Amino acid sequence: AQSVTQLDSQVPVFEEAPVELRCNYSSSVSVYLFWYVQYPNQGLQLLLKYLSGSTLVKGINGFEAEFNKSQTSFHLRKPSVHISDTAEYFCAVSEAGGYQKVTFGTGTKLQVIP
Amino acid sequence: DAGITQSPRYKITETGRQVTLMCHQTWSHSYMFWYRQDLGHGLRLIYYSAAADITDKGEVPDGYVVSRSKTENFPLTLESATRSQTSVYFCASRGLAGVDTQYFGPGTRLTVL
Repeated sequence: AQSVTQLDSQVPVFEEAPVELRCNYSSSVSVYLFWYVQYPNQGLQLLLKYLSGSTLVKGINGFEAEFNKSQTSFHLRKPSVHISDTAEYFCAVSEAGGYQKVTFGTGTKLQVIP
Repeated sequence: DAGITQSPRYKITETGRQVTLMCHQTWSHSYMFWYRQDLGHGLRLIYYSAAADITDKGEVPDGYVVSRSKTENFPLTLESATRSQTSVYFCASRGLAGVDTQYFGPGTRLTVL
C-alpha cells in the first residue's frame, strides 16, 4: 500500500519570500508523484508531476519539486511567492503502471502575508 | 461547456433522504472518479470507473452507489444520507493513457442535517 505524509498543515510566509512545502511518501514499488493546488471554492488542478527522468520537475506558476528516492520525498518549492499563491497544496502518489490509484496527502495551506 | 462539471454545487438535505450528485465530462475520458474531501483527511476515493458499465470501490465506498451507463456521466447516489456524509465531493476524470492527469470538477458541498 502507498501513503503520503504532508508534515505541515499550514505554512505562513511573507510575500516575495521563498517557500518549501514538504511531502514524504511510502511505497514498495516505483511511483509517480504529483502536486496539486486548490484555490478557495475550486477543484484541484495539477501543478507538476514526476514520472521518470530528471529528479527536478518544473511546474506552472514558478513552482518546482525535487524527487529524492533515498529520502522518499517530493518537496515543493518556489523562490518568491505572491499573494495569489495563497491556496491549499496537495501532494499525491500513484504506483507506476497499472491502474495507478492515486493517494492524496492531507494538504498544506499556504498563507502568503503581504 | 467543455470540461468537467458537477451539479448541484451546494446541497442541503436531511438524514435518511436519498441524494444524487451529478458529474459530466466532455472529453470522453475513460476513467472517472468520486472523492470526498474532509478536514484532516485530504481527498479519499469513494468509487471509480474505468469505462461505461465498469465501476469499482475505492477507499470509502460504504453508503454510496454509482452507475455509469454513458461515458460522459458518473452520478453518485447517497441511498440514505447520514451526517457523517457531510463533505465536499469532487468528481475527476482522466484519459486512458498510462500517465494522464486527473482533471477535477469544481466540487459539490453537501450538508446533511
